[in-house]
Amino acid sequence: DVKVTQSSRYLVKRTGEKVFLECVQDMDHENMFWYRQDPGLGLRLIYFSYDVKMKEKGDIPEGYSVSREKKERFSLILESASTNQTSMYLCASIWGRGDYGYTFGSGTRLTVV
Amino acid sequence: SQKIEQNSEALNIQEGKTATLTCNYTNYSPAYLQWYRQDPGRGPVFLLLIRENEKEKRKERLKVTFDTTLKQSLFHITASQPADSATYLCAPGGSNYQLIWGAGTKLIIKP
Repeated sequence: DVKVTQSSRYLVKRTGEKVFLECVQDMDHENMFWYRQDPGLGLRLIYFSYDVKMKEKGDIPEGYSVSREKKERFSLILESASTNQTSMYLCASIWGRGDYGYTFGSGTRLTVV
Repeated sequence: SQKIEQNSEALNIQEGKTATLTCNYTNYSPAYLQWYRQDPGRGPVFLLLIRENEKEKRKERLKVTFDTTLKQSLFHITASQPADSATYLCAPGGSNYQLIWGAGTKLIIKP
């Protein structure tokens, strides 16, 4: 089975800290995504990457950056964490154009205090 | 702007009955539509994909319909079980492999 692994299930960080969320997939997928999920809202796309060193902004990129140095790893960086970035962060990967379904990680519940 | 609507209130169904969840979309013409299951505190899990030229798709106890005229998809779980209790997400998609996500409907199957 395809596996997408997120490095932490729960994180608590202080306002202003730089936060790294790591995601690794083991199926050689080209496309990887970072979403955040908040109660009552659908998943919102932060950034995605369709190849190594390539990245594209999603719907809500402000306050975030990403890094993809290797095909299997896609990192989300919160440059200076703020309380409004408290959320569930989900990483996903897909093969091809996504019409075979996304594979998600288990999520990272980030709390910024 | 593109909008995806799913029932925001929880759906309570008696075990053994058929659960039907609705997904409506506006200002969008998706090439396909995906359904996912999400358990509390976990990432979504892909269930089914239906393409715009397909009226219906089945997988075990699951059935999905896609009506491009009504701009609606229905997701059915037959012979529902308490283990089917979860939040179900609808996500239409297009040629650029990006999905637009509904907020999900919480399904509760009561024994």
